[in-house]
This record gives sequence, C-alpha cells and structure tokens, in this order.
Amino acid sequence: EDQVTQSPEALRLQEGESSSLNCSYTVSGLRGLFWYRQDPGKGPEFLFTLYSAGEEKEKERLKATLTKKESFLHITAPKPEDSATYLCAVLGFSGTYKYIFGTGTRLKVLA
Amino acid sequence: NAGVTQTPKFQVLKTGQSMTLQCAQDMNHNSMYWYRQDPGMGLRLIYYSASEGTTDKGEVPNGYNVSRLNKREFSLRLESAAPSQTSVYFCASRDRIANTGELFFGEGSRLTVL
Repeated sequence: EDQVTQSPEALRLQEGESSSLNCSYTVSGLRGLFWYRQDPGKGPEFLFTLYSAGEEKEKERLKATLTKKESFLHITAPKPEDSATYLCAVLGFSGTYKYIFGTGTRLKVLA
Repeated sequence: NAGVTQTPKFQVLKTGQSMTLQCAQDMNHNSMYWYRQDPGMGLRLIYYSASEGTTDKGEVPNGYNVSRLNKREFSLRLESAAPSQTSVYFCASRDRIANTGELFFGEGSRLTVL
C-alpha cells in the first residue's frame, strides 16, 4: 500500500538547535518527493522536489535529502520564523499519477 | 501575481444546505485539484482536473461535485452539506506541461457544517 509517514508529529527546538525531520514512504513508481511548509491558517508552500536517491537540495537553513525509503529535512541553526508544519508528499505512477501526503511535523522554534 | 485564489475564506452552513467553493489560478496551469485537510489525516484528494474539460474522482469524492469552468477556474460544490464535511478545503494547481510536479495551493476555505 502506498503511504507516507512523517516523524516526529511535533518538535520543539531552541533557537540555534539543529535537528532533522523524517519522511518514510512506500510508493509505486516514484516520480518525485516534495517538501512543503504550511503556516497556521495558510495553504502549503512548496519548498523542494527530490527525484532520485542521493539527491540533496538546500534553501537557507533547510536541506532535504532522499534515500530509496525515506527523506530527511535537516534544519540547521533554526530561528523562530522557521516555526511551521512541514509536509512531505510523494508523487507515484502506476497507471495514473497519484499524490500521497504525510500528516506533517509541527515545528516550534523557541527564542 | 495572485497565484491560486479561493473564495470564500470562511463559511458556516447548516446540515442540508448547499454551497460552492470557488477557485481560480492565474499561472496558466493545466491541472487543478481540490483537497480537504483534517487534523491527523493529512491532505486528501477530493477531485482533480488534469486539463480543461476533464474531471476525475480522487480519494474522498462522495458528497461533492466539481466543475472545470475554463482553464483558470475549478469549483467544488456541496449539494447537501453534512457535519462530516466540516474541514479546511484547499485548491491547488500544477503545471502539467512542465511536469515539475509541485503543487501551488490557495490559502484555504474553512467550512463548518452545523
């Protein structure tokens, strides 16, 4: 069964305390893995796309990596403005394209 | 550049009432989607439209209908609202031609059914 599991569900960090969010997936015909950021009361905002194992993408304090079974979103020296829910999604293909979203990790960075 | 615009942002309905959620995108995208987001369940696909003139059911289509009015607009209709349809609804679009995969979301429509 195609599925995406994110952990932890919630994470509290002190400002400057680096950590990683995990996204484990099983999907037929992976066409891409996506990370989104969602602020309270807003729609998800695209961050990264990863297409193949070993690929890495960076943006400011965020770095996304991909293996054949999971992806990590590394947050280096986070700031309070990094507080948000981070969603992982995969796009699979088995006759038709299908997006599967995880339930997200709620990140709170304390000043 | 507005991106994806949804209306209304908030709505309260009584059981059995009907309403339509409107969505418009100005990015010339071919594909448009309607999702609902519930606590602990993630985003679930209700309906999608791969291109103008086509619509298909997603994971949770029961109780909903859609119309792809033109390339820009994709509406979601609740014919007889039920409390189980209390949720946050997101419209999204994708550039299927470029095939880059990422979705562009609106800010959401928060619906409460009493």
